[in-house]
Amino acid sequence: GQNIDQPTEMTATEGAIVQINCTYQTSGFNGLFWYQQHAGEAPTFLSYNVLDGLEEKGRFSSFLSRSKGYSYLLLKELQMKDSASYLCAVLILTGGGNKLTFGTGTQLKVEL
Amino acid sequence: DAGITQSPRHKVTETGTPVTLRCHQTENHRYMYWYRQDPGHGLRLIHYSYGVKDTDKGEVSDGYSVSRSKTEDFLLTLESATSSQTSVYFCAISESPGRVGNTIYFGEGSWLTVV
Repeated sequence: GQNIDQPTEMTATEGAIVQINCTYQTSGFNGLFWYQQHAGEAPTFLSYNVLDGLEEKGRFSSFLSRSKGYSYLLLKELQMKDSASYLCAVLILTGGGNKLTFGTGTQLKVEL
Repeated sequence: DAGITQSPRHKVTETGTPVTLRCHQTENHRYMYWYRQDPGHGLRLIHYSYGVKDTDKGEVSDGYSVSRSKTEDFLLTLESATSSQTSVYFCAISESPGRVGNTIYFGEGSWLTVV
């Protein structure tokens, strides 16, 4: 089976930097996604990592270590609108194709 | 925005009745997924499809069936709805997940209440 772990809640200050960690144990690993989800809305794509290393996209960066089963999402220059749930998801290659399995999400609260 | 339409967006139904949710895409993508989202559980995969008539089960498939007779439509059916199936249902699509540059896009969600 698959096991994906991330913290349930985090709080950070506007303008600061926050790192959201995700660990996973799975077979057939074929990449890791990060999504942002505001309450009552659909998840929106943030990043995808399949190779080890750091991917940077504006204020958001994502890191992957396949050997350690570890990823993090780094958010810089936090804004109030960044208050949302951040979802870590692992892409798993099976005999039937690629399936995407999610962790339970990290609720980030950005305070003044 | 990816061309994904879920219908109905909101539905209230009675226990024991059949319910079908529709996911329609205009992107001609190969993969389509159905998830449910509940507090404390996050997004859980129900079923997914990797081509017309090619489907597979996810982690919470009991009580659900799916149908994909054409590329653009992926139907999720609750044969006999139960209160435990009250949830928000999301459809997602992708052409080639796992290939850099190909992401997985989500629909707006369908809120289902079983009373």
